[in-house]
Amino acid sequence: DIVLTQSPALAVSLGQRATISCRASQSVSISRYNLMHWYQQKPGQQPKLLIYRASNLASGIPARFSGSGSGTDFTLTINPVQADDIATYYCQQSRESPHTFGAGTKLELK
Amino acid sequence: QVQLTESGPGLVHPSETLSLTCTVSGFSLTGYSVYWVRQPSGKGLEWMGRMRYNGDTSYNSALKSRLSISRDTSKNQVFLKMNSLQTDDTGTYYCTRVLPGATGGYFDYWGQGVMVTVSS
Repeated sequence: DIVLTQSPALAVSLGQRATISCRASQSVSISRYNLMHWYQQKPGQQPKLLIYRASNLASGIPARFSGSGSGTDFTLTINPVQADDIATYYCQQSRESPHTFGAGTKLELK
Repeated sequence: QVQLTESGPGLVHPSETLSLTCTVSGFSLTGYSVYWVRQPSGKGLEWMGRMRYNGDTSYNSALKSRLSISRDTSKNQVFLKMNSLQTDDTGTYYCTRVLPGATGGYFDYWGQGVMVTVSS
């Protein structure tokens, strides 16, 4: 299985930039497609798709969210961070089955 | 309007079988795959298995011996059955959909989830 590694937590101040990373144990890219996706989950809620295929913003997601990366290293950026963005963020790969998730990065206020 | 709704018992006794239903609307089960994902309380997300748009299934190898996923397309429902439940199966169970294709594989809509507690 492809293992996705995320830092457990990140502390950030409101209005600043947050950079959340996800590293895969092997490449999750096929040709020009980077099969890494990002989700936001708030307590008591289901996950919400933020970014698909590494850099594509999902419908209805604010432009302060962006994604980048290829191969094994991917980044989710939130700039500027707002209070509503305090949540846990998960990466997920669809290069190989099972479509594994990272353990999540909890975004906290500094 | 796309919707997925999980239903099932909130409490299951150890060693018993869990049966959950995911009822979908706003899309066809023959056009999208439906996955089951679970989340132990306070922990991360675990991919359990999937019902593909063409009726094929696949399972997380860690759960394969206990898990079965089926569907009834006429009722727009996908079913999960998992036997020999233990306390570490306690958590929230979600169904979610995926558009088929080699360049997809992301979960664009999720159900609200159903909380399952395994306890005597």
